[in-house]
Amino acid sequence: DQQVKQNSPSLSVQEGRISILNCDYTNSMFDYFLWYKKYPAEGPTFLISISSIKDKNEDGRFTVFLNKSAKHLSLHIVPSQPGDSAVYFCAAGDGTASKLTFGTGTRLQVTL
Amino acid sequence: EAGVTQFPSHSVIEKGQTVTLRCDPISGHDNLYWYRRVMGKEIKFLLHFVKESKQDESGMPNNRFLAERTGGTYSTLKVQPAELEDSGVYFCASSQEGVRKNYEQYFGPGTRLTVT
Repeated sequence: DQQVKQNSPSLSVQEGRISILNCDYTNSMFDYFLWYKKYPAEGPTFLISISSIKDKNEDGRFTVFLNKSAKHLSLHIVPSQPGDSAVYFCAAGDGTASKLTFGTGTRLQVTL
Repeated sequence: EAGVTQFPSHSVIEKGQTVTLRCDPISGHDNLYWYRRVMGKEIKFLLHFVKESKQDESGMPNNRFLAERTGGTYSTLKVQPAELEDSGVYFCASSQEGVRKNYEQYFGPGTRLTVT
């Protein structure tokens, strides 16, 4: 029973355009959400997070949007750059414990 | 500042053998986590230490897995005896103390375990 779902296993975007990665969750106890970026042979790297009391958080080219009623969040990258090519994981925490629940990841390919 | 380190980077063992994975967290991080990713699926939580104490081991698959963190510094994860389904990438992560800071976890590069 996957509580965090990333339904798009891969996404290809042209350099300079916007990349939108989506994530859905089922556990209404989740109150903190994060995006991690992973390059091959490396561990996931924290990218950006959002608390459930907010609906948007922005950090440079990266913006995360949270729609609590739809149990949906998205990561926008604009403009996309070739170095953004990686696997992106959505993760969530429920406030009762520190463990993170991850999605299966979306592989982003930014083409020239 | 040194990041989270894991050893070995790869391990290939036969079914029934024992393997021990090691993790050195970021200095000063009391929280240490083990996760596992199997066959391109999601990264799954195994357990969480606060200093030397096991805070949450709800994700440990069975009693063939034993994690320790003696002295509250590095941690080891032993699999004995290993089974084929234990193959995957084992990640260690650490974080500072604090409600939100616990979530912003720093991951090591992982140990790729292959059981044949």
